[in-house]
Amino acid sequence: EIVMTQSPATLSLSPGERATLSCRASQSVSSSYLSWYQQKPGQAPRLLIYGASTRATGIPARFSGSGSGTDFTLTISSLQPEDFAVYYCQQDYNLPGTFGQGTKVEIK
Amino acid sequence: EVQLVESGGGLVKPGGSLRLSCAASGFTFSSYSMNWVRQAPGKGLEWVSSISSSSSYIYYADSVKGRFTISRDNAKNSLYLQMNSLRAEDTAVYYCARGSGSEGFLDYWGQGTLVTVSS
Repeated sequence: EIVMTQSPATLSLSPGERATLSCRASQSVSSSYLSWYQQKPGQAPRLLIYGASTRATGIPARFSGSGSGTDFTLTISSLQPEDFAVYYCQQDYNLPGTFGQGTKVEIK
Repeated sequence: EVQLVESGGGLVKPGGSLRLSCAASGFTFSSYSMNWVRQAPGKGLEWVSSISSSSSYIYYADSVKGRFTISRDNAKNSLYLQMNSLRAEDTAVYYCARGSGSEGFLDYWGQGTLVTVSS
């Protein structure tokens, strides 16, 4: 099983600041099989990024993904009030399709 | 508009059974793989099971293998999860999610149904 480790666990930032979230895989993952999801309290997760860097339909350009191999990054260029949420990375390169434990982006 | 609506959750005793359903609409259901993902209270996401578009390929997490069975009825645009021998650690919100592309990322999710296993 590929273990996905996200850091930091919590990111405290102010609106307008840049957020950088890290996701590290325990073994190499094809970037085609790396995705990011956003989840707000009481809501289902929402797909943000797939293929490590492709924004899903309707996702604003302030969200970007990058990385390859074992290290991947989700960047939010300028945090908006609606971006404060929990973010998960997931690999489905190998089964089981494992998720990271999540990074909570909270208002400072 | 793509919609996924789960149902069938509830309170069940340890060792009991429950069948979850997911009604799909707004897309050609028979063309997509489907998944179940769960989230224990206050915890992160855990992939549970997936099924290919024609049911040819089925996969399970080790934590549910032998106890849960995923199935689908393409004529009814529906996905199912039969859960047997339920344990307290199966308590979670269960989401159905559509798998997209050959990479299988989860592009649409239902709102989830809560399963509580408790005596």
